[in-house]
Amino acid sequence: SQQGEEDPQALSIQEGENATMNCSYKTSINNLQWYRQNSGRGLVHLILIRSNEREKHSGRLRVTLDTSKKSSSLLITASRAADTASYFCATDAAGNQFYFGTGTSLTVIP
Amino acid sequence: EAQVTQNPRYLITVTGKKLTVTCSQNMNHEYMSWYRQDPGLGLRQIYYSMNVEVTDKGDVPEGYKVSRKEKRNFPLILESPSPNQTSLYFCASGERGLWDEQFFGPGTRLTVL
Repeated sequence: SQQGEEDPQALSIQEGENATMNCSYKTSINNLQWYRQNSGRGLVHLILIRSNEREKHSGRLRVTLDTSKKSSSLLITASRAADTASYFCATDAAGNQFYFGTGTSLTVIP
Repeated sequence: EAQVTQNPRYLITVTGKKLTVTCSQNMNHEYMSWYRQDPGLGLRQIYYSMNVEVTDKGDVPEGYKVSRKEKRNFPLILESPSPNQTSLYFCASGERGLWDEQFFGPGTRLTVL
């Protein structure tokens, strides 16, 4: 399966600290996306990075992509309690299928 | 308001009783997709559709059917539900499929007894 793996599975930090989560995948991709899910709710798109890009920023988010290592990282700077959620990476593969990782559960303690 | 809607949001049913979960989007997106989410397994794609009358299997299509007769609607049909289909289901749509962000519905929590 193409399914990605996020690491760590769970992360707990203090408000104001930075949070870093990683995603690894198995086969070549065209792009990689990160999503956030608040408990039991629908996923919300955070950022998309294409295979020819190495880094992308959006507000407090920074995403890197290393296609040689088949990995990506999501950095959330100056975290807030409202950032508490699960974070998923999603990749495409040959064809038009979408593959999600198993997610990182982030808890930001006020 | 741009959105993806799903109905019902919660459903408890019994084994073998056919059911349909509806999905509708108002963004004129070509790509629509269904996922199921199970603890420890993340989201897995069930079926997707690139456009009207075009559907394809995802990773876990067994036991499910879909149709795409109109651009805005993409219902998920369980002809004979079984307990292993108890899950949280999400519908999503995107303008150009994998090249754009996916917009997700609020989810349907299905329990099959």
